[in-house]
Amino acid sequence: EADIYQTPRYLVIGTGKKITLECSQTMGHDKMYWYQQDPGMELHLIHYSYGVNSTEKGDLSSESTVSRIRTEHFPLTLESARPSHTSQYLCASSLGRTLANYGYTFGSGTRLTVV
Amino acid sequence: ILNVEQSPQSLHVQEGDSTNFTCSFPSSNFYALHWYRWETAKSPEALFVMTLNGDEKKKGRISATLNTKEGYSYLYIKGSQPEDSATYLCAWDIGGNKLVFGAGTILRVKS
Repeated sequence: EADIYQTPRYLVIGTGKKITLECSQTMGHDKMYWYQQDPGMELHLIHYSYGVNSTEKGDLSSESTVSRIRTEHFPLTLESARPSHTSQYLCASSLGRTLANYGYTFGSGTRLTVV
Repeated sequence: ILNVEQSPQSLHVQEGDSTNFTCSFPSSNFYALHWYRWETAKSPEALFVMTLNGDEKKKGRISATLNTKEGYSYLYIKGSQPEDSATYLCAWDIGGNKLVFGAGTILRVKS
């Protein structure tokens, strides 16, 4: 049973639409992350949060935005989807001061296609 | 430049074969090295977190070693089974609770 949930699993949407990818976790983890992966490429960090009302941009520039109003919820929004946003988006969370103890718990991802 | 390299990119083996993959990472600013297994349509699952030079970890038929001085880790699978088919990701823990991932090694085990 998953402790971190992403919806939808798959999304095909037209150019210009606003979309929100949902990520929720039931473990009470303070730290949450969004990674983006293009086929055959590395996972790249696009956003992270260390707690409520804390959000930071990751190493890969992204036109998406995130919010963290509740500990368990970390949605990602694209105001106007474009074909270049077609990718897989993975949400993760972690517990503890360092990842060396626990690592990440991942969601199962959202595969987004913008047509 | 933060760069994690994994090789090979993909591997096809027969059931019963033993195999190994490599993860290379910068040897400076090392906090930990993570290995994940990612099966199709599932979430990546943590295999190992390795922190010390010379670390060896084992989980069933899967084991991993770590050399932080030269910046590499090996993952070994003994007697591969079809259920081992997955993408194996390594990630360099750079501190600040962030991971830098490699592109993964895709393993396909044929019965």
